[in-house]
Amino acid sequence: DIQMTQSPASLSASVGDSVTITCRASQGIAHYLAWYQQKPGKVPNLLIYGGSILQSGVPSRFSGSGYGTDFTLTISSLQPEDVATYYCQKYNRAAFTFGPGTKVEIK
Amino acid sequence: EVLLVESGGGLVQPGGSLRLSCAASGFTFSDHYIDWVRQAPGKGLEWIGRIKSGASSYTTEYAASVEGRFTMSRDDSKNSLYLQMNSLKTEDTALYYCTRVDFWSGAIDFWGQGTLVTVSS
Repeated sequence: DIQMTQSPASLSASVGDSVTITCRASQGIAHYLAWYQQKPGKVPNLLIYGGSILQSGVPSRFSGSGYGTDFTLTISSLQPEDVATYYCQKYNRAAFTFGPGTKVEIK
Repeated sequence: EVLLVESGGGLVQPGGSLRLSCAASGFTFSDHYIDWVRQAPGKGLEWIGRIKSGASSYTTEYAASVEGRFTMSRDDSKNSLYLQMNSLKTEDTALYYCTRVDFWSGAIDFWGQGTLVTVSS
């Protein structure tokens, strides 16, 4: 099975900072990569699919890029409501593995 | 409004069985693949299985961690999904989410609130 890794495991940044999270697949997955945001005590929410396509209703400060094995999620100007754990997920074929998550906090 | 409501969670002893249900509404259930995702307390998300639509022969796919122990099924006439869990282990303790796979993107676009399964003696 393809393994998914994320870095960093956690980060702390100031409001207004640009934040980047990396997701890596152990084998190529083309553009079949989604990013989810899970706020504390809440259900996950789809942010980006297809590696870079913003889900409807998601603020434009979120963006995704990448193809193949290396992907990034960027928050261009971190807001207090962005405190959450962010997960990537591959969905080209089963198993539809999630990354271990990146916890984002405000400094 | 898309709704996915899980039920059936609870406390079960190791080696026991439990059947979870998921009731769907607000969309054409029969058109969509449905995934089960679980989250152990304080841990990350784990994909555990998919059941495809009738157009894809209701094919199921499972994570290695549950293959042979868990079985997914669906009843499109009742807009319902089921997860039969057998030979439960303590490591199966988690919040179990029923999720909808978006027909166009292939990603999970809606999640239920989850039902908690605790495997303990």
